[in-house]
Parts: sequence; structure tokens; C-alpha cells
Amino acid sequence: DVKVTQSSRYLVKRTGEKVFLECVQDMDHENMFWYRQDPGLGLRLIYFSYDVKMKEKGDIPEGYSVSREKKERFSLILESASTNQTSMYLCASSITGGGGETQYFGPGTRLLVL
Amino acid sequence: GENVEQHPSTLSVQEGDSAVIKCTYSDSASNYFPWYKQELGKRPQLIIDIRSNVGEKKDQRIAVTLNKTAKHFSLHITETQPEDSAVYFCAARLDNNDMRFGAGTRLTVKP
Repeated sequence: DVKVTQSSRYLVKRTGEKVFLECVQDMDHENMFWYRQDPGLGLRLIYFSYDVKMKEKGDIPEGYSVSREKKERFSLILESASTNQTSMYLCASSITGGGGETQYFGPGTRLLVL
Repeated sequence: GENVEQHPSTLSVQEGDSAVIKCTYSDSASNYFPWYKQELGKRPQLIIDIRSNVGEKKDQRIAVTLNKTAKHFSLHITETQPEDSAVYFCAARLDNNDMRFGAGTRLTVKP
């Protein structure tokens, strides 16, 4: 059973703080993704990664960066948090190749920036 | 870039009725179309998917149809039950594993 975990379920930070959101998957998946989920906007892709040390920008990368130093871990970094980054953040992973399209999601981190 | 439009944004049906959610996509290179169900407070979970070489797929009360020419695909739920109440997301995937999601449909099944 695929397990995708995220470091926090709820997080409260202040404007200007540096925020780290961590995602870990235990199924040796090559691909990992970070989305934010906002009402009426669905899931929007922030960044994704095909392999260790690789990263690609998604639709809304501004204000975010990512790190993939190990295959199982994909971190989302808010360099200087702002109130418009208050959102639900979802991590997902998938394999490459046959049947690999299915994305498995973590439980989400609800971030509030004050 | 890829754009996925999903309609309606909210849908309310009586228990036992059918529900249909429609999505359109813009990029003809899209080759995989999953549907995710997200219950309140939980993570999205895959419920059914279809690949571009197939026109229809069915799994018990759930079916998905794909019209590649028109670039649209639909989710059909028959004999709806209260536990079908959730937010449903469609998505379209490009060759590079990049996935684009629709904005979601909140389905309410009234007992």
C-alpha cells in the first residue's frame, strides 16, 4: 500500500517567515508533485520532480522553491511567506512507466499565514 | 499550456438518480484522464481512469467516457448514494507526466 506522508497537518506562520513543507513517500516513486488547493480553483501544480535533484516549474511556482535531495523526499519551501500563500498544500507521487499515471496523495498541510 | 475546464462546480441529486460531471481539455497530446474523489477533510483518491486509446470504461456504478475529437471526457455515477457525496476532480496528463486538474465539482446526494 502506497504511503505518502506530509510533515504537518496544520501550520500557522507569520508573514516573512521561511516555511518548509516536507513530503515523504515509501514506494520508491520517481515522480513527486506539490499542489495547492483553493476553493473554486481545484488543484494547481506548483512544482514537480522526475528524479533526485531534478525539478520542474508547474503553473504557479512564484514565491516557492523545492528540494529533492533524496528520492523519497520532496520539500516545498516558502522563502518569505505571504498571506496569499494561505492554502491547503498537497503532495503526490507516482512511478514512471506502465501504470505510473496514478498519483497518490498525501493527507495535506493546511497552512495559515498571518 | 494545458487547460482543463470542469462543469458543473456544484451538483445536487436525489439518492438513486444519476450524476454526470464533464471536463474539457485543450491539449490534444493529453493521453491519460483520471478522476479523483475527495471526501471532506481527506486526501484525493483515484476512483477511475481512462487512456486515450479507449472510449469508455466502467467500474460498477461509475463510468467514464472520452471523446478525443471533441476533447472532452465525462464521469457518470448511477444509482447515487449518500456516500457518493464528495468533491470530484478530473485531470488530464501530458506525455511528460505533467498533470492538470479541473477546478472540482461538489456533489451532494440527498437521501
